[in-house]
Amino acid sequence: GESVGLHLPTLSVQEGDNSIINCAYSNSASDYFIWYKQESGKGPQFIIDIRSNMDKRQGQRVTVLLNKTVKHLSLQIAATQPGDSAVYFCAETPFSGTYKYIFGTGTRLKVLA
Amino acid sequence: EAQVTQNPRYLITVTGKKLTVTCSQNMNHEYMSWYRQDPGLGLRQIYYSMNVEVTDKGDVPEGYKVSRKEKRNFPLILESPSPNQTSLYFCASSLAGQGRRYTFGSGTRLTVV
Repeated sequence: GESVGLHLPTLSVQEGDNSIINCAYSNSASDYFIWYKQESGKGPQFIIDIRSNMDKRQGQRVTVLLNKTVKHLSLQIAATQPGDSAVYFCAETPFSGTYKYIFGTGTRLKVLA
Repeated sequence: EAQVTQNPRYLITVTGKKLTVTCSQNMNHEYMSWYRQDPGLGLRQIYYSMNVEVTDKGDVPEGYKVSRKEKRNFPLILESPSPNQTSLYFCASSLAGQGRRYTFGSGTRLTVV
């Protein structure tokens, strides 16, 4: 498959455990944040988003937490499954006025059987 | 199925030989963008288009051209490819307005020798 990063930080998690992937964002003006999942050989796929007027948002098995004080974003995956193995990116942008995204370099999640 | 289609998936070419990577979306999205992905650098925006006949430079536009003659298509043109344009390229599209979630294509792996 395609290699999206030879030296990405890697998180190894046992199947069934919870995963937490972290992201530090750079721009204080950013008020919309997205997590993407990129499987080998595929393009990034939307997982969940959050606006800056929220601290937490939940989806199916995923939760995003936003700490604006320290400019930190995290993605929590409950009951991690083999299909969750992928590279995860955060992206930030102002919610309106620009289409400019800033993408993080990503974290590789490996799920151990 | 709603999707962004890129062609080709893989391309090996020689320095200086003009090439075009096609991108088409079937979701009636106004906004389209091209990114390149390199190890350790994340996704970097090349060009974007906010609608038909409206295009603008991203962060790394040198050596690339784009056009947006139809809403669904956004080809990426390399007039004289060089080895430093060897990369993984992604086309993405989204609706205009707030809360823009990209849909990405599957990627084009370009090697310039």
